[in-house]
Amino acid sequence: RKEVEQDPGPFNVPEGATVAFNCTYSNSASQSFFWYRQDCRKEPKLLMSVYSSGNEDGRFTAQLNRASQYISLLIRDSKLSDSATYLCVVNGRGGSYIPTFGRGTSLIVHP
Amino acid sequence: EPEVTQTPSHQVTQMGQEVILRCVPISNHLYFYWYRQILGQKVEFLVSFYNNEISEKSEIFDDQFSVERPDGSNFTLKIRSTKLEDSAMYFCASSFGLEGDEQFFGPGTRLTVL
Repeated sequence: RKEVEQDPGPFNVPEGATVAFNCTYSNSASQSFFWYRQDCRKEPKLLMSVYSSGNEDGRFTAQLNRASQYISLLIRDSKLSDSATYLCVVNGRGGSYIPTFGRGTSLIVHP
Repeated sequence: EPEVTQTPSHQVTQMGQEVILRCVPISNHLYFYWYRQILGQKVEFLVSFYNNEISEKSEIFDDQFSVERPDGSNFTLKIRSTKLEDSAMYFCASSFGLEGDEQFFGPGTRLTVL
């Protein structure tokens, strides 16, 4: 099983749609989780951290399910500018801190 | 807004040559990182650096690679005897703390090995 797994997509949605991405991770000792956004040929940029209680930032909601070892990202009212690749990042603990990136999920929002 | 900078933006080199990629992390950050992203593939962790020494490294970071903080601002990645498969985008990042802290990425250096 891959350490951090994401559906590569692409998810092709119209403006205004709601879209959800999932990410599964294999290391049960992982302690911190993030969603990053990466535009084509650009650097990753933090979208949001993911907390155990779930968190929301405007149109974006992130959830963590430790029992099933997955995190999710929900984007409401999609904008054209949301088109990007969304990267799931999982940090371990317990003698080793190495952030592991998923391969990313591609989102295309069309008019 | 403070940002991580990297130079050069694009480096072309011949196989077997040595390259040095440079980064200036955000000034009050304590942790520094190098990542690699081969075209079309995922971002891969190479190494983290704290208090003037390597704190973690991945299996990719073998004897071909080294990092250095030669002064109070620069953080460098040296790749010796480059191979074709070293062609990738190399990102530097920095964070104030370790776990749970946002990492700020630089714009990357695209390395092309011919």
